[in-house]
Amino acid sequence: DTGVSQDPRHKITKRGQNVTFRCDPISEHNRLYWYRQTLGQGPEFLTYFQNEAQLEKSRLLSDRFSAERPKGSFSTLEIQRTEQGDSAMYLCASSLADVGGRHGYTFGSGTRLTVV
Amino acid sequence: GENVEQHPSTLSVQEGDSAVIKCTYSDSASNYFPWYKQELGKRPQLIIDIRSNVGEKKDQRIAVTLNKTAKHFSLHITETQPEDSAVYFCAASRDSGGGADGLTFGKGTHLIIQP
Repeated sequence: DTGVSQDPRHKITKRGQNVTFRCDPISEHNRLYWYRQTLGQGPEFLTYFQNEAQLEKSRLLSDRFSAERPKGSFSTLEIQRTEQGDSAMYLCASSLADVGGRHGYTFGSGTRLTVV
Repeated sequence: GENVEQHPSTLSVQEGDSAVIKCTYSDSASNYFPWYKQELGKRPQLIIDIRSNVGEKKDQRIAVTLNKTAKHFSLHITETQPEDSAVYFCAASRDSGGGADGLTFGKGTHLIIQP
């Protein structure tokens, strides 16, 4: 386990369909984050988990978006009734706060969603 | 919520010269400030970070400075090389003790190293 894995790498879907993405964090990391990045912009925070608990949700996370981390390991992000504005790169990251305070905040390669 | 401003949006420097990218933040409770490098089509990669209990941190050719009073922090890259060309993002968040909260990113600086 050398990094954060995301699946799929690319997803093309028709408007109105539901999509689900998966993220496998670095195994010893206790926090898992979801971000969205559009072209030419910085990543925008969506939500994060500490173990299986969802601790924070951005106002960007509309009711069509839901994220889970049922066993405190991998996480899924589901988008229902997709819209063209949902087209973006969805990035997952994980981190660990050790006794030295290092965060090791590491991003995955992302899932690129295109809604047509 | 937090707001992070980053300048400049594009920076072109001659190879071997230094590059400086500046960011300001709005939330005085923010205490964790990472910098990420993102090459085209690739993931953001952490290059250096700083916490609010220190004013400066160095790692070889890269340094970050933090002024908590003024709420700004800067990335300094010395002896720039062609492989430094990329988009650089600053970010800020609170660290509640159990790890960083969600990061607020700046809009990025496209650094171009001219040979």
